Amino acid sequence: GQNIDQPTEMTATEGAIVQINCTYQTSGFNGLFWYQQHAGEAPTFLSYNVLDGLEEKGRFSSFLSRSKGYSYLLLKELQMKDSASYLCASMDSNYQLIWGAGTKLIIKP
Amino acid sequence: ETGVTQTPRHLVMGMTNKKSLKCEQHLGHNAMYWYKQSAKKPLELMFVYSLEERVENNSVPSRFSPECPNSSHLFLHLHTLQPEDSALYLCASSPDPPGAAGELFFGEGSRLTVL
Repeated sequence: GQNIDQPTEMTATEGAIVQINCTYQTSGFNGLFWYQQHAGEAPTFLSYNVLDGLEEKGRFSSFLSRSKGYSYLLLKELQMKDSASYLCASMDSNYQLIWGAGTKLIIKP
Repeated sequence: ETGVTQTPRHLVMGMTNKKSLKCEQHLGHNAMYWYKQSAKKPLELMFVYSLEERVENNSVPSRFSPECPNSSHLFLHLHTLQPEDSALYLCASSPDPPGAAGELFFGEGSRLTVL
């Protein structure tokens, strides 16, 4: 079956760095997405990786290893506003998105 | 503001009621989606429309009935729901057709409680 695993909850300190991991098992692969969802708000797109390696966008970076079925989202210089759920989704060979249950990130002062 | 507006934001209904959720996108996208989001569970794709035609129905119970009258509007009609249908219902649109690796633009969702 198809499956996405990511931690349910993580806690980090303001100003620090946190890495949110995601492992995926899908029938084929057409890319890995990360979305951010603040409580009571819409999920918003953060990143898309289809090739191996690290992509950086300001304080956020996303990494992909296709051979390991693994991705991570790296958040630097954490701010209180980064408290949110982070959703990992893999696109399979039929271009269907397979979603993880999300990681709730709590930032403490 | 994502350009996708959902109403109502909150809805409480009894199991015998009939209600509808509405989604409107102001982005000029041609594909629209309904997702169900339950606590601590992955997003579940319910329906996909491309150019107002339904292209996917993921084995959703018939008590959920979608309608897409034009490319900017999407409805989800609800009738004789069950308590386990209580969830956040998210609408999304995309500039790319279903089957392309494109970004989804989500609305803030309609929180449904079935008593």
